[in-house]
Amino acid sequence: SYELTQPPSVSVSPGQTASITCSGDKLGNKYSCWYQQKTGQSPVLVMYQDNRRPSGIPERFSGSNSGNTATLTISGTQAMDEADYYCQAWDRNTGVFGGGTKLTVL
Amino acid sequence: EVQLVESGGGLVQPGGSLRLSCATSGFSFSSYWMHWVRQVPGKGLVWVSCINGDGSTTRYADSVKGRFTISRDNAKSTVYLQMDSLRAEDTAVYYCARGAVGAPLVKDYWGQGTLVTVYS
Repeated sequence: SYELTQPPSVSVSPGQTASITCSGDKLGNKYSCWYQQKTGQSPVLVMYQDNRRPSGIPERFSGSNSGNTATLTISGTQAMDEADYYCQAWDRNTGVFGGGTKLTVL
Repeated sequence: EVQLVESGGGLVQPGGSLRLSCATSGFSFSSYWMHWVRQVPGKGLVWVSCINGDGSTTRYADSVKGRFTISRDNAKSTVYLQMDSLRAEDTAVYYCARGAVGAPLVKDYWGQGTLVTVYS
């Protein structure tokens, strides 16, 4: 079965750039999306079709996907961005999530 | 305002059944794919199932295929997840989510989740 691999944790200082990666076989040939989940809350879509931001998501969030890696980049990271982030893609008509990355802003 | 409200979670013994419901409002329900995603508390998200707008197409994760059935009632703007032959590993918070316009496999709105606990 298809697998997506994310680093368990990423740390960033406020105002700096955070990059969260998601790796999978030929992932660049699929669309990726990203969800943010803060503690005790439901997930929120922050990026879809690799680099499209939903309405209401700040411009500091951007995405890319090429080769075997999709990347969610947060520029000028703020304390409010601290959360778990999950990538997702589709393979053979089934959805696959990455294991999630805990972003710590310190 | 788009709203999704799950219900039907609870305690059930292994081998038992539960039916989850997700009542929606604020959008033209029959035009959207709908999804179920689960999450063991403290763990990651796992996609479970989805259904298209008229109910003619359904998809399932291998882990639930043959045991879970997704369906919808467009007159009631509600999507369901019938869960049979439940196992301890099905214990999780179950979220329903709406598929995005133009990208139906992307989930743009989520409910608050309902907890299913399978215990012996």
